[in-house]
This record gives sequence, C-alpha cells and structure tokens, in this order.
Amino acid sequence: SQQGEEDPQALSIQEGENATMNCSYKTSINNLQWYRQNSGRGLVHLILIRSNEREKHSGRLRVTLDTSKKSSSLLITASRAADTASYFCATPLRSNDYKLSFGAGTTVTVRA
Amino acid sequence: NAGVTQTPKFRVLKTGQSMTLLCAQDMNHEYMYWYRQDPGMGLRLIHYSVGEGTTAKGEVPDGYNVSRLKKQNFLLGLESAAPSQTSVYFCASRHQTGNSYEQYFGPGTRLTVT
Repeated sequence: SQQGEEDPQALSIQEGENATMNCSYKTSINNLQWYRQNSGRGLVHLILIRSNEREKHSGRLRVTLDTSKKSSSLLITASRAADTASYFCATPLRSNDYKLSFGAGTTVTVRA
Repeated sequence: NAGVTQTPKFRVLKTGQSMTLLCAQDMNHEYMYWYRQDPGMGLRLIHYSVGEGTTAKGEVPDGYNVSRLKKQNFLLGLESAAPSQTSVYFCASRHQTGNSYEQYFGPGTRLTVT
C-alpha cells in the first residue's frame, strides 16, 4: 500500500505565482524525497529532506517536513511554464529502507 | 554517461505473449528496481535487486519475473501477458552506500496488452 499521499491532486496556476503541494505519510521515516515527472518521461529527483531537518531549499524549491504531523510540503516559487509536471513525494517503506513508496502525485499546470 | 536506459520504448502485445524489458545503467549502482505506473496511481514496485545475482519481490510481483546476471542490467519478463499488465514500466537504480538515497530513473516503456 502507498505510504504517502499528495494533496491536491491537481493544481493550475499562472506563471509567476507560487505552487504549494503537500504530502502526508503513515509511518516513521528517516527521510522524504520529492521527484518531478514531465509528461512522457521518467522521474527526476528534486530534493531530499532528512527527519532531523525542518526546512530545506534548492533554487526555487522549498521543502518542509513536520514529523509530528507526518507531513511535508513542496513550494515552487515564481513558477515557470517549464515547471508544468507531476510531483511525487517518496518515503522509505520502512524507517531505513532502500525501497521507496510513492504517492499518486500532484499535477501542476503553469499557465502562460 | 547515459544514466539509466530502457528498451524498448513502446510495445504492443497480444494476451498470452511473452516479452522481456531491458534496463541498463552505467553508474555502477548496486540497487536496481522495476516499477509500474498506472493512471491516477503512484509508482508501484514490482521487483528489485540489491546486487548482481540477487532479486526480490516488491509490492506487485505476480505475473513478472526478473533477472540480474550482470550488475549493470536488470531484466523484467512477462511470461504470459494479460491486459491488466498494460502500463508504463520504469526502471531505476541507486548507490548502496552513502547518504544519497536518490533513485535515478529510466525514460520508461509503454506496454499495451490487447
């Protein structure tokens, strides 16, 4: 069964706006990853946040992790058309597992 | 480096036919994975391998077999294809050691079973 669930399922924003999506998971983890998938392509790793981190930045990406609520958020600032993609959170199936469980994803559409 | 490559990119099979999907990585990764992706669902793990000569079942292994005879290759076989196996298949790999848990994905194989 899936460990993580993203919310919302779909998001449509204007270019230049920020996009926020959330991920909730069920069991204790030692890290959480976010991946992007452009249409018809494989997944690409965006960022990893460890359980002892609360926030992490990478370029226009900001990820937060709240282990008490078992949730994470991904913020994309100043969105561009190229950010149109599906975004997935991934968590280890067990605390320190090398197998990942992926959520169903959030589809983000950035309108020009 | 080519990264992770998959062949073929597309395939149409008739029910009952068999085929093998090939995944190759040139990053000397120990771990390799096969996932399937269906509409509205995340990736589901079919089989995985933690090293040459070893394989293990994931979440949805039924109807599939795998082999890892060489470290760089991971093969996924369908012995008798069924319409329920219509999906997009992704291969991924990652290093065993270190603090990087990142998985590297191939471009996918779109399989249709009629």
